[in-house]
Parts: sequence; C-alpha cells; structure tokens
Amino acid sequence: DGGITQSPKYLFRKEGQNVTLSCEQNLNHDAMYWYRQDPGQGLRLIYYSQIVNDFQKGDIAEGYSVSREKKESFPLTVTSAQKNPTAFYLCASSILSGVEQYFGPGTRLTVT
Amino acid sequence: AQKITQTQPGMFVQEKEAVTLDCTYDTSDQSYGLFWYKQPSSGEMIFLIYQGSYDEQNATEGRYSLNFQKARKSANLVISASQLGDSAMYFCAMREEETSGSRLTFGEGTQLTVNP
Repeated sequence: DGGITQSPKYLFRKEGQNVTLSCEQNLNHDAMYWYRQDPGQGLRLIYYSQIVNDFQKGDIAEGYSVSREKKESFPLTVTSAQKNPTAFYLCASSILSGVEQYFGPGTRLTVT
Repeated sequence: AQKITQTQPGMFVQEKEAVTLDCTYDTSDQSYGLFWYKQPSSGEMIFLIYQGSYDEQNATEGRYSLNFQKARKSANLVISASQLGDSAMYFCAMREEETSGSRLTFGEGTQLTVNP
C-alpha cells in the first residue's frame, strides 16, 4: 500500500541529545514537509523540500535540521539547540502541483 | 496578523444534526486554496475538503461542504447529519500559491464533540 511511514510512534530522549525522526513515503511525491504540533494548537511548518538535495526553512526552523538525499526520505533531526523539543511531529508529502498533502501517523517526542 | 482564524475552540452538536465550524483567512494573493483536515485523538491528519479561490461553486464531499464567502474571506465547514465518529479536532488551512507555493498555514483548530 502507498503511504507515509513515520517511526517510531513514541520517542523519549534526555535533554541535550540530538534525535532523528524518520519519514518515508512511497507515493513518488516530490514535495515533503515537517510540521510540529503542540497540545491544543495547530500545525506549524518546520522545513519543507520540493526536490532532492534542496530544502527550505519553514516558520520555526531554529533548532532543527533536515536532509533530502533520496526522494522518498526526509529525516528530521531535533538538535540540542531546540529549547522546547517535546511535541508531536507530523511529516507530509504532496505532488508539486497537487491539492492535497498526505500525512504520516506522527511521532510523539518527549524530552526530559 | 493571523492568516487563518478559527474562533471556536470547542463545539458541541447532537448526533444527526448539522454543525458549522468557522474559518476566516487573510491573504493578498489572488490564487489560493482552502482546506479542512480532521484530526482524531490518534493524531493522524485526514483531508476532508478543498476549495480553490477561483472555484465558483462551493465544494462538497459527502456529508462535508465548504461555505466559501470570498468577499468576507470565510471558508466555513458544514458537517451534515453528525455522527459520533465525527468527534475530533478540525483544522482549517490555506495555501497561498503566489507567495508561499505549496506550503500550508493552519489555524488553531476547533474541537468538535458529537453527543448521542
């Protein structure tokens, strides 16, 4: 089945550690996105990529990094510079001219 | 200024009744799209409906319809014949095709509870 996978569903880390969240899609979509969601709030864009080896900062990129070495993969690293990393992280993909963004199931990151 | 405003943090509706979730937006683009997504407690985002700024007809998808009033910059979601499974968080989002390309900007959401 085509779709977006994010793993793991729950992730726990100690403060000061970098952590990488995975996002893989087999929809052959060119564009991929990372969003952060805090409790009771909407989604905010962290980074997005419209082509392999290229990506752009979203609204809240500080403390995060990404790579896009393959079309189907767009991992997000939450660095120790991110002051409040505990959140729900959602990955999405779309075709470039498409209407809909397809979302993965999300990863809940807890940093203590 | 907020690009997407959802003024109803929570809404309640009786099963089988209709409910309207409000969304207003702010953009200077002529070409833009408006979306509604549903987020159940499990967390996944489910696409419901889309309205393009040049679409003359209001979008409909089954029990969902979008009441698009361009002059008022509003894009309210109407859910008819509510079901218990409609209880979820609902997000309005906008894509500004001239200034932001494929990026989406989301509102803060409305928590809908359907009562039996």
